[in-house]
Amino acid sequence: GQQLNQSPQSMFIQEGEDVSMNCTSSSIFNTWLWYKQDPGEGPVLLIALYKAGELTSNGRLTAQFGITRKDSFLNISASIPSDVGIYFCAGPRTSGSRLTFGEGTQLTVNP
Amino acid sequence: GAVVSQHPSRVICKSGTSVKIECRSLDFQATTMFWYRQFPKQSLMLMATSNEGSKATYEQGVEKDKFLINHASLTLSTLTVTSAHPEDSSFYICSARAPRQGGNSPLHFGNGTRLTVT
Repeated sequence: GQQLNQSPQSMFIQEGEDVSMNCTSSSIFNTWLWYKQDPGEGPVLLIALYKAGELTSNGRLTAQFGITRKDSFLNISASIPSDVGIYFCAGPRTSGSRLTFGEGTQLTVNP
Repeated sequence: GAVVSQHPSRVICKSGTSVKIECRSLDFQATTMFWYRQFPKQSLMLMATSNEGSKATYEQGVEKDKFLINHASLTLSTLTVTSAHPEDSSFYICSARAPRQGGNSPLHFGNGTRLTVT
């Protein structure tokens, strides 16, 4: 099936640092979603992007829907220990189609 | 916000038995729900799409007779793992799409069910 290439696979940072991760695809997506998953729990939606070029913030998180519709990035500013978890990008290629997930970015924040 | 509730959160069963997992949309109606499976350190893999009032749609390689899905109402879908074996041990997560005006709405996920088959 359609794949999303997410990078980096893992990140180890110090508390207070900014973080950036991204997803790319060879096909166009009409929606980009960013989720965070804590151990033993289901993914929680962080940000949803619906239009090419859209830049959306949620607290310390900022995500952008790439102009080409083939990529998106997520930035976390001033990281804190509770930001630890796995971050997934996801998206359906067409309206109502099933979600494709990236492989995830494991974030570790050292106090 | 939209809430999806999944039960149980953990279950341990013996090989050969069946296990039922429930997924409920608490504050919205969901004509479609999705069941995912996640192995350790891996991403979510879609197993099937649960359709209210009709048969579920299974992804390639997922045995429909082993993973029975029933979507009996607009707020409840169940996944039954029949004759479970140790290789079925995994994290099962359901999701549903909350209503949104004007197009695609994001999926909201339950908290998952950790199944361990001994």
